[in-house]
Amino acid sequence: KAGVTQTPRYLIKTRGQQVTLSCSPISGHRSVSWYQQTPGQGLQFLFEYFSETQRNKGNFPGRFSGRQFSNSRSEMNVSTLELGDSALYLCASSPLRPSYNEQFFGPGTRLTVL
Amino acid sequence: GIQVEQSPPDLILQEGANSTLRCNFSDSVNNLQWFHQNPWGQLINLFYIPSGTKQNGRLSATTVATERYSLLYISSSQTTDSGVYFCAAAYNTDKLIFGTGTRLQVFP
Repeated sequence: KAGVTQTPRYLIKTRGQQVTLSCSPISGHRSVSWYQQTPGQGLQFLFEYFSETQRNKGNFPGRFSGRQFSNSRSEMNVSTLELGDSALYLCASSPLRPSYNEQFFGPGTRLTVL
Repeated sequence: GIQVEQSPPDLILQEGANSTLRCNFSDSVNNLQWFHQNPWGQLINLFYIPSGTKQNGRLSATTVATERYSLLYISSSQTTDSGVYFCAAAYNTDKLIFGTGTRLQVFP
């Protein structure tokens, strides 16, 4: 069974631009979560989607948004990029609710904002 | 919300040594996972262990939910075990709260 895939793997943008990251979960998994990892803040939860609905959101500004499609694939978007948005963005999938199921992570997208 | 603390923050070992990594959490948990982050950043699943004991080769883990801690044991360390180990927990929310990690360096 294929694992979680994320595209692109690396991205360089400039301040003020916007970016869209993509995540394909493990086949059959319906929940997709997004996390941001930075050296200063560690791994932080962004949001979680299930059946195309955002069920949980972390403490991030409205510039961070996402969506999930009917095939469970998910995208996250960051608008008006800031230098502090430079981070590793990780996507995770689980069969159902992450609080009761093992989560599996993709390889991540490394975003650099110049 | 739940808080997760890991210790020690850094660990330096010689190949062949054993080690114990600890994860304390502040509340009951429905989900407790251990991960190894490889040099490219991917989180590799080691254990899904909200309670009990599991073993996988040279690695084993124990979670004592009533006392709110989990331990990861690495026996006969190898250089390929180097990296950062994370513990993450969730309780009645669909988000994993991660600890700050233990950075393990294994030298030949």
